[in-house]
Amino acid sequence: EIVLTQSPGTLSLSPGERATLSCRASQSVSSSYLAWYQQKPGQAPRLLIYGASTRATGIPDRFSGSGSGTDFTLTISRLEPEDFAVYYCQQYGSSPHSFGQGTKLEIK
Amino acid sequence: EVQLVESGGGLVQPGGSLRLSCAASGFTFSSYSMNWVRQAPGKGLEWVSYISSSSSTIYYADSVKGRFTISRDNAKNSLYLQMNSLRAEDTAVYYCARAQSSSYWGHIQNWGQGTLVTVSS
Repeated sequence: EIVLTQSPGTLSLSPGERATLSCRASQSVSSSYLAWYQQKPGQAPRLLIYGASTRATGIPDRFSGSGSGTDFTLTISRLEPEDFAVYYCQQYGSSPHSFGQGTKLEIK
Repeated sequence: EVQLVESGGGLVQPGGSLRLSCAASGFTFSSYSMNWVRQAPGKGLEWVSYISSSSSTIYYADSVKGRFTISRDNAKNSLYLQMNSLRAEDTAVYYCARAQSSSYWGHIQNWGQGTLVTVSS
């Protein structure tokens, strides 16, 4: 099973700043089959990025994904108030599909 | 608009059983694989089970194998999760989640709002 480790656990930033979230896999993720999801309190997760770098429909272009192999990054270029949430990565290139433990993005 | 509405959650004693349902609408249900994903209180996401569009392929997380059974009824646009021999560690919000396609090798495209299962005496 591929273990995904997200860092940092908590990221404290201010609106307007740039956020960089990391997701590291214990083994290479096949075909860059990696997705990022955003979850706000009391809500279901929402798909942001799939295929490591493709934005889902309706996702603002301030969100971008990059990486391959074992190292992946979600970047939010300029934080808006609504971006403060928990972010999860998931790999779906190996069975079982596994999630990272999440990064909480909080307002500084 | 894709809608996934879970039901069937509640309080159950350890060792008991519960059946979750997910009513799907807004897309051709029979063309998509489906998943159940759970989230324990204050914790992260855990994939639980997968079923292909035709029910021919089914997978389970090791943590639920032998206790949980996933199924679907394409005529009723519904997904199910039969949970037996429930344990305290099964306490979580259970999400119904639609895959991007009929393939196992795809991300989760849509999520329901979840239904809470609490296992406690």
